[in-house]
Amino acid sequence: AQSVTQLDSHVSVSEGTPVLLRCNYSSSYSPSLFWYVQHPNKGLQLLLKYTSAATLVKGINGFEAEFKKSETSFHLTKPSAHMSDAAEYFCVVSELDDGGSQGNLIFGKGTKLSVKP
Amino acid sequence: NAGVTQTPKFRILKIGQSMTLQCTQDMNHNYMYWYRQDPGMGLKLIYYSVGAGITDKGEVPNGYNVSRSTTEDFPLRLELAAPSQTSVYFCASSYSGGVSQPQHFGDGTRLSIL
Repeated sequence: AQSVTQLDSHVSVSEGTPVLLRCNYSSSYSPSLFWYVQHPNKGLQLLLKYTSAATLVKGINGFEAEFKKSETSFHLTKPSAHMSDAAEYFCVVSELDDGGSQGNLIFGKGTKLSVKP
Repeated sequence: NAGVTQTPKFRILKIGQSMTLQCTQDMNHNYMYWYRQDPGMGLKLIYYSVGAGITDKGEVPNGYNVSRSTTEDFPLRLELAAPSQTSVYFCASSYSGGVSQPQHFGDGTRLSIL
């Protein structure tokens, strides 16, 4: 069964410093992987997705993630944090269900990113 | 382009009351989903629908019902509200159910059962 582990529940960085949010996954097959961001009192917004093409995926707002099959990781990075990046981030894996027809999303528990001025 | 719209945004219910959470999307997506989000947890799938007239249970369906009479609308009904159903509810949609299809989310309904 697939699962997602976000290794940090809370990450705090200073504005202008790099961001690293860690995610490990467990999957029986070749998964699709996503990062979503959730700002306070808002829904989830897609940041980026990996679907077995290039292993380095670029997303919106300067974020990127690298798929490493050997490490079963899909960490999210950004070179320089901005105050507006403060939010909760979810790593998500998608696999076909038992019937082979439906992609089910499995969510990590989330990492709350705080950005200090 | 409104995307996925959920109403109401906030609601307080008494134990045993019933209510319907509304969800509509204007992207002509075939697939729609209902999730709940509890503090410190990721989202859990309640029900989903692959098209009008077709619904199926997700991971945590107990205490909820859904219907899908049109492509646009996917309401979620709580028949007998219980404190365990206090949560934030998100509706989402996607064009298809393929593993690479991202889902588009509404802003959520924050529901408290007292």
